[in-house]
Amino acid sequence: DGGITQSPKYLFRKEGQNVTLSCEQNLNHDAMYWYRQDPGQGLRLIYYSQIVNDFQKGDIAEGYSVSREKKESFPLTVTSAQKNPTAFYLCASGRETQYFGPGTRLLVL
Amino acid sequence: GENVEQHPSTLSVQEGDSAVIKCTYSDSASNYFPWYKQELGKRPQLIIDIRSNVGEKKDQRIAVTLNKTAKHFSLHITETQPEDSAVYFCAGGGGADGLTFGKGTHLIIQP
Repeated sequence: DGGITQSPKYLFRKEGQNVTLSCEQNLNHDAMYWYRQDPGQGLRLIYYSQIVNDFQKGDIAEGYSVSREKKESFPLTVTSAQKNPTAFYLCASGRETQYFGPGTRLLVL
Repeated sequence: GENVEQHPSTLSVQEGDSAVIKCTYSDSASNYFPWYKQELGKRPQLIIDIRSNVGEKKDQRIAVTLNKTAKHFSLHITETQPEDSAVYFCAGGGGADGLTFGKGTHLIIQP
């Protein structure tokens, strides 16, 4: 678990603002994932990437964007089109077993 | 795609008793079934997993069983302790699309 990090721990977004969540891993994993978790809810897949320079939409991709320019990094941008962004965001890596980062809690001002 | 359903959503047991959480899956091609434990405000952590060529796996007080024919798998925790209180997630998959997670079970251990 120590090989996958997320920053910041808390993030505040103003209305109309785009914000970017960072996810870095040193586990040499090809596959990386972003999930959204709402209170009392499960893990919903936003985007995933199986290899550098390629990514696919998950179940709730609207209002989000990603890039995968490096194997180690998979940043998530929450755009102004996401009208209800308040949630706990988890990044994971690993082809079969997924290992999670510590999460970023996004709050709206 | 895969669909994983998990029951119950909340489970309360007396300390020392056993707890069982059940999951069903829909895609017969799924071949990997991990279980994660998530404490409040923390990341999910893998506690045990099972592959489709195995029917049961144990690790101390934790065991997982898999019935491929019925497409269901279960987590068993024996001699529950206060530190077992958490949210538990099952998942299924193992292919190129990754894992599909259940909605979670909040396990409460009553003293």
